[in-house]
Amino acid sequence: AQRVTQPEKLLSVFKGAPVELKCNYSYSGSPELFWYVQYSRQRLQLLLRHISRESIKGFTADLNKGETSFHLKKPFAQEEDSAMYYCAQAGNAGNMLTFGGGTRLMVKP
Amino acid sequence: DAEITQSPRHKITETGRQVTLACHQTWNHNNMFWYRQDLGHGLRLIHYSYGVQDTNKGEVSDGYSVSRSNTEDLPLTLESAASSQTSVYFCASRSGAATEAFFGQGTRLTVV
Repeated sequence: AQRVTQPEKLLSVFKGAPVELKCNYSYSGSPELFWYVQYSRQRLQLLLRHISRESIKGFTADLNKGETSFHLKKPFAQEEDSAMYYCAQAGNAGNMLTFGGGTRLMVKP
Repeated sequence: DAEITQSPRHKITETGRQVTLACHQTWNHNNMFWYRQDLGHGLRLIHYSYGVQDTNKGEVSDGYSVSRSNTEDLPLTLESAASSQTSVYFCASRSGAATEAFFGQGTRLTVV
């Protein structure tokens, strides 16, 4: 079964500090990988996907197939980045998305 | 604009009652999903559908059922609500591989 692991349930940093939210996946082929963000009391929304190799709101994520990781990074955290972040993958089990347990990011002033 | 909506937003029900949560999308997406969100577990897949008349069990399907009679709707039914089913439920849809999944606003269900 596909599995996505986010080892940190909570990550607390000060404003301006670098942030790295870890994500490891289990699919051995060519997975589709995504990061979703959920701000307080809002619906989940796509932050970025590996296929686009884009930077959104200063966040980037690089796929490392050797380590089966897709960590999310931002060099300088902002208070408005405080939210719940979910890593997700889709693989050979059709178009189904499997999510990790989520990491709550708190950025302190 | 196309969207995905869930109703109700909040529901309190009693143990043993049948409850149906609605999900409606106007993107004409074939793929629709139901997840539950719980502290410490993230989002877990309950059921999913890849098209009309197609339904599949997810990771935590016991006690839930879905039906897909048209493209737009995937209602989730709790046959006999249990306290363990108190959760926030999210519906999502996507058009296919490598595409973004769009989520509803969520339904907070409390079973007392």
